[in-house]
Amino acid sequence: DTEVTQTPKHLVMGMTNKKSLKCEQHMGHRAMYWYKQKAKKPPELMFVYSYEKLSINESVPSRFSPECPNSSLLNLHLHALQPEDSALYLCASSQGPFGLAGVSSYNEQFFGPGTRLTVL
Amino acid sequence: SQQGEEDPQALSIQEGENATMNCSYKTSINNLQWYRQNSGRGLVHLILIRSNEREKHSGRLRVTLDTSKKSSSLLITASRAADTASYFCATPYTGGFKTIFGAGTRLFVKA
Repeated sequence: DTEVTQTPKHLVMGMTNKKSLKCEQHMGHRAMYWYKQKAKKPPELMFVYSYEKLSINESVPSRFSPECPNSSLLNLHLHALQPEDSALYLCASSQGPFGLAGVSSYNEQFFGPGTRLTVL
Repeated sequence: SQQGEEDPQALSIQEGENATMNCSYKTSINNLQWYRQNSGRGLVHLILIRSNEREKHSGRLRVTLDTSKKSSSLLITASRAADTASYFCATPYTGGFKTIFGAGTRLFVKA
């Protein structure tokens, strides 16, 4: 199974709502990522989890709260978002920067289809 | 700021023609990757080229890497309408989990 799934596909929320995005993979990958992508722009890294621990937070506002309950799941909790947070949110996973041998820096990322978020 | 910059920003060609996209990056890398993204969907990994490789092929894709110029190119031969997508180069920071994507090239292949 080489698929990363994301739910929901689309989400519309008000600025006072609390919602969560979910991501799941069953490839045994120990690194998982959240990206934000605006129209006609490249994905921008938000968070990286490695072995269920937060490794990188790219100075993301606290209204975005990531969570990694186990090695297969990644959540992004949303609260008090702003209209400018409307974007495509992509989840990805990879073996990490090092392969099983601990030498290679091969880190192809497998992406989910994304959640299209609209904040009203 | 983005690590990789790509040109052209957009490219429109006829089916059957070749498409070439270029990527430049700023820091030392140990590999460079190319991804494709169909409109509004997730990215799909196309090919990875290591810093000690100069050229790599995968089907109709040919990637070159020039570490002295800090640049890479992606050539798609005999393009098809289904190749219409955005193409991004991506460079991982050495030793880290962070991958930086270039600005991307939007390719339109007309049938």
